[in-house]
Amino acid sequence: KNEVEQSPQNLTAQEGEFITINCSYSVGISALHWLQQHPGGGIVSLFMLSSGKKKHGRLIATINIQEKHSSLHITASHPRDSAVYICAVWSNTGNQFYFGTGTSLTVIP
Amino acid sequence: GAGVSQSPSNKVTEKGKDVELRCDPISGHTALYWYRQSLGQGLEFLIYFQGNSAPDKSGLPSDRFSAERTGGSVSTLTIQRTQQEDSAVYLCASSLSGDSYEQYFGPGTRLTVT
Repeated sequence: KNEVEQSPQNLTAQEGEFITINCSYSVGISALHWLQQHPGGGIVSLFMLSSGKKKHGRLIATINIQEKHSSLHITASHPRDSAVYICAVWSNTGNQFYFGTGTSLTVIP
Repeated sequence: GAGVSQSPSNKVTEKGKDVELRCDPISGHTALYWYRQSLGQGLEFLIYFQGNSAPDKSGLPSDRFSAERTGGSVSTLTIQRTQQEDSAVYLCASSLSGDSYEQYFGPGTRLTVT
């Protein structure tokens, strides 16, 4: 059983499209993170959320604590957004970080 | 400013040998994390250091793995008697404080056990 589930696993979009990646979790958390990993590249933290909504440029992240669900939105997608997006949660019942399996996004020009 | 650094960037070792992986966190960051990413697999949490507190080692995959953090700064992850299944990219991250702060990731150490 995975503590963090992401959907979709793979996503292909045309440049300019609005993209949504979903994350559901089953444990109590103190924070949820969205990470980005480019092919052959390092990992960058996009957002850290404990409630509500955050926006950074074309990226928006929301979290609903009661429903144990978070979404990552990308507006006006661009080929440089092509990467793996990973949802991760920090459990509030122990020092443990759980990761989703990632969503591989490809944006076609 | 300087980010999280890790060394070596690549390490090839023979099965049965011990290896040490090093992580230098961002100056002033009290929290440090070790993760592992096996080829084609997702990220796996290994261990977390917060300040001078003793870490919870339950995430380490076996007793061949150990980690320490000296002086609240540099950390080393040691794998004894390496096995082929230990081959992975080992990532380190640091954050200003504990779990509710953004993490900054290092470039990783690619370990190959032959």
